[in-house]
Amino acid sequence: DGGITQSPKYLFRKEGQNVTLSCEQNLNHDAMYWYRQDPGQGLRLIYYSQIVNDFQKGDIAEGYSVSREKKESFPLTVTSAQKNPTAFYLCASSPAGFGQHTGELFFGEGSRLTVL
Amino acid sequence: GNSVTQMEGPVTLSEEAFLTINCTYTATGYPSLFWYVQYPGEGLQLLLKATKADDKGSNKGFEATYRKETTSFHLEKGSVQVSDSAVYFCALSRNNAGNMLTFGGGTRLMVKP
Repeated sequence: DGGITQSPKYLFRKEGQNVTLSCEQNLNHDAMYWYRQDPGQGLRLIYYSQIVNDFQKGDIAEGYSVSREKKESFPLTVTSAQKNPTAFYLCASSPAGFGQHTGELFFGEGSRLTVL
Repeated sequence: GNSVTQMEGPVTLSEEAFLTINCTYTATGYPSLFWYVQYPGEGLQLLLKATKADDKGSNKGFEATYRKETTSFHLEKGSVQVSDSAVYFCALSRNNAGNMLTFGGGTRLMVKP
């Protein structure tokens, strides 16, 4: 079945450690996104990529990094510079380009990161 | 800038009750509007959308009408079920391509048998 796979589902990290969250899609979508979800704050955009080898900062990019070396993959690294990394992280994908998009993002099941 | 405001939850209803979740927005231009739903332990999925003023989006018994004059997109359902228990997010598109979304804070709905 086509979809988006995020791993790991749960992750614990000590302060000062970097951690990488995986996101893989087999929907042949050009665009991929990372959102952070905190209780009562909805989803906030961290980074997005409209095409391979290109990505842009979203609203809350500080302390995060990404890469987009393959169309299928968009890993997110939470660095030690992120002041409050404990959150639920959601990856999404969609077709890109004007006229192609319907506004529907396809989401993975999320990764919950807890900093100890 | 663009923003979406939703009523705070949780909203607790009995089965077969009428549901309204309020959503208002601030945006430049005429964005498309969306409702997404997140069931427990899952990612978000699109519930319905409307792309221009006075459009009504509908799906699975849920409806929402794009009201430009009141900048609102309230979600309604005539008779909720226990299986509707979830978190509901209102969102708008903030670019011409339609794929950059701004989300509201989410409203948790709990339906009791």
